[in-house]
Amino acid sequence: EADIYQTPRYLVIGTGKKITLECSQTMGHDKMYWYQQDPGMELHLIHYSYGVNSTEKGDLSSESTVSRIRTEHFPLTLESARPSHTSQYLCASSENQVLSIGEQFFGPGTRLTVL
Amino acid sequence: AQSVTQPDIHITVSEGASLELRCNYSYGATPYLFWYVQSPGQGLQLLLKYFSGDTLVQGIKGFEAEFKRSQSSFNLRKPSVHWSDAAEYFCAVVGVSGTYKYIFGTGTRLKVLA
Repeated sequence: EADIYQTPRYLVIGTGKKITLECSQTMGHDKMYWYQQDPGMELHLIHYSYGVNSTEKGDLSSESTVSRIRTEHFPLTLESARPSHTSQYLCASSENQVLSIGEQFFGPGTRLTVL
Repeated sequence: AQSVTQPDIHITVSEGASLELRCNYSYGATPYLFWYVQSPGQGLQLLLKYFSGDTLVQGIKGFEAEFKRSQSSFNLRKPSVHWSDAAEYFCAVVGVSGTYKYIFGTGTRLKVLA
C-alpha cells in the first residue's frame, strides 16, 4: 500500500493568502511530482523533483513553487492565491530505477478553492 | 511529442457486462504504458502497466490490457464489471527519454448500472 500523504485534504481560502500544500512519503522514493487536475480533465504536471535540492517545472506553467529539502517532503507553495488557482492538486512519488520507469504512487489530493 | 488519447469521456455499462476502455498513444518508440483508476475524492491507483514482453498484461481487480503496437493502442478490459468499478480511468504513457514524466489522457468516467 502506498504511503504518501497530503494535507490538507480540502482548503478554502480568500484571494491573496499564502498557502502551502504538504506532501510526504515514507517509501524513500527519490522522485516526486505535483500535478494539477481540474474536474473531468487530465492531470497536468506542474513540478517534479529527482531528489533533494532538485526541482524542475513541469509542462503546465504554474505560479506555485516547490522545495525539496528532505527526501520525504515536497511542499508546494502559492505566495498569493487567486481564484484561478482553484483546482485539485495531486502529489506522487516513484522509485529511482535506473533501467526502468517505476510506478507512480499518488496521494489522496488537496482540493483547493480560492474565493 | 508524446500524447495519449482516451476517446470515450463517459461510458455506462450494466453490472456483469464486459468492459473495454480505449487508449491510443503517440510516441516514436515503444513507451511505458499505465492504467490508473481514480475513485471520487481520491488519488490515483495503478491497475496495471506494460513495459515489454507479453502484450497482454494482467492487473488488479480483474482488469487486463493489451498492447497493440500496430494500432498504437493499450485498451483496458474487464470481462464482468462490478458496481464498485464505477470510477475515472486514466491511461498514461512515459517515454524512455530520461525525463520520467508521465503524460496522462483526459480520462474515461465509468458508470455502472445495477
